[in-house]
Amino acid sequence: SQQGEEDPQALSIQEGENATMNCSYKTSINNLQWYRQNSGRGLVHLILIRSNEREKHSGRLRVTLDTSKKSSSLLITASRAADTASYFCATAIIQGAQKLVFGQGTRLTINP
Amino acid sequence: NAGVTQTPKFQVLKTGQSMTLQCAQDMNHNSMYWYRQDPGMGLRLIYYSASEGTTDKGEVPNGYNVSRLNKREFSLRLESAAPSQTSVYFCASSESRDSRTEAFFGQGTRLTVV
Repeated sequence: SQQGEEDPQALSIQEGENATMNCSYKTSINNLQWYRQNSGRGLVHLILIRSNEREKHSGRLRVTLDTSKKSSSLLITASRAADTASYFCATAIIQGAQKLVFGQGTRLTINP
Repeated sequence: NAGVTQTPKFQVLKTGQSMTLQCAQDMNHNSMYWYRQDPGMGLRLIYYSASEGTTDKGEVPNGYNVSRLNKREFSLRLESAAPSQTSVYFCASSESRDSRTEAFFGQGTRLTVV
């Protein structure tokens, strides 16, 4: 089974609302990353939070990490139609290479 | 900059045929990865590589082989394609010298095995 599990699997909100996606994982990690995928395209990195960090911001994105609960959340504030995409969390374990394992993703739809 | 380049973009194979998916990155990254993505699913790690000449199995390595001949290139080979290998394949690379490394992805290879 995959390392990360995301919740919800699909989310539909109105433009301007906030969107929150959650990610749970199973093993200890070095960092956790969030990626975005527009339909049929490659993934684009959004934000990375290290295991010793609890919260990080980047523009309209806010990520939290709770290593005791092995969970993370991604908050997108003031959503826009252009935010419609799939969002994936990925856990990273660095042992020589950075082993990067993805969750199943949340499909986010922003309705105008 | 090209970033991560995958070839081909599309491929149709018959069951039992073999093929190699090519991936090259121009960012001087140490780590490279191959993932597959099935419809409605996340990415599953097939193989990854820390450096030239080293490879490690990921979550779903069966039916695949990889080769990291140099720092730039990481190829994925299907020796005898099966319909279950129909998927979109993504190559990625990252630097991994510390804990702040993001991965960069290619645009994917859409493979259909009939």
